Amino acid sequence: QITLKESGPTLVKPTQTLTLTCTFSGFSLSTTGVGVGWMRQPPGKALEWLALIYWDDDKRYSPSLQSRLTITKDASKNQVVLTMTNMDPVDTATYYCAHRIKWLVYFDYWGQGTLVTVSS
Amino acid sequence: QSALTQPASVSGSPGQSITISCTGTSSDVGAHNYVSWYKQQPGRAPRLMIYDVSNRPSGVSNRFSGSKSGNTASLTISGLQPEDEADYYCSSYTSSTTFYVFGTGTKVTVL
Repeated sequence: QITLKESGPTLVKPTQTLTLTCTFSGFSLSTTGVGVGWMRQPPGKALEWLALIYWDDDKRYSPSLQSRLTITKDASKNQVVLTMTNMDPVDTATYYCAHRIKWLVYFDYWGQGTLVTVSS
Repeated sequence: QSALTQPASVSGSPGQSITISCTGTSSDVGAHNYVSWYKQQPGRAPRLMIYDVSNRPSGVSNRFSGSKSGNTASLTISGLQPEDEADYYCSSYTSSTTFYVFGTGTKVTVL
């Protein structure tokens, strides 16, 4: 059974750096083909893909946010960490992590999401 | 890279069929058979409903079907039921540097 859960601060101040952790079970990021992605969804708005990391440390980023994002993995801890610098109120959103397989172009298991509010 | 375009809302009565469109470009929907659809109920995480244009994951009702023509993909829900009321998002792989793009979302209302 695959599960994922996001954790991190619920409130950050403008200009601060956000660090979110995705802790998962039921699969290993040491297994060939496995990947974990991050998406976000501002209140009442659409989903947006942010970043993706694979078992072989291949990383992909949304071009519009690439300069602010870093995705890393710790396969031994079953965790993926996303950092986003220079947070702004427009970054207020629910952030989701999700599982995918590299050659299957969809996210089949999602975490419950974590709401991050950016406000002074 | 812009989001894929979906109608803001679609509605239907119980038992009816509805279709949600998802319009992209020749770099995403039109170029690849990697369109997927997600259902999202209020306060819940998205759930995969269709992948690779027309395939259903295990556990998804066969009332849900997907198709594609040119740069537009479609999700059809037949025999509409109250539990189908949700937001639906399409997504696609893209050849552009964006790599992966979601649709604008469609709110389905069961009248």
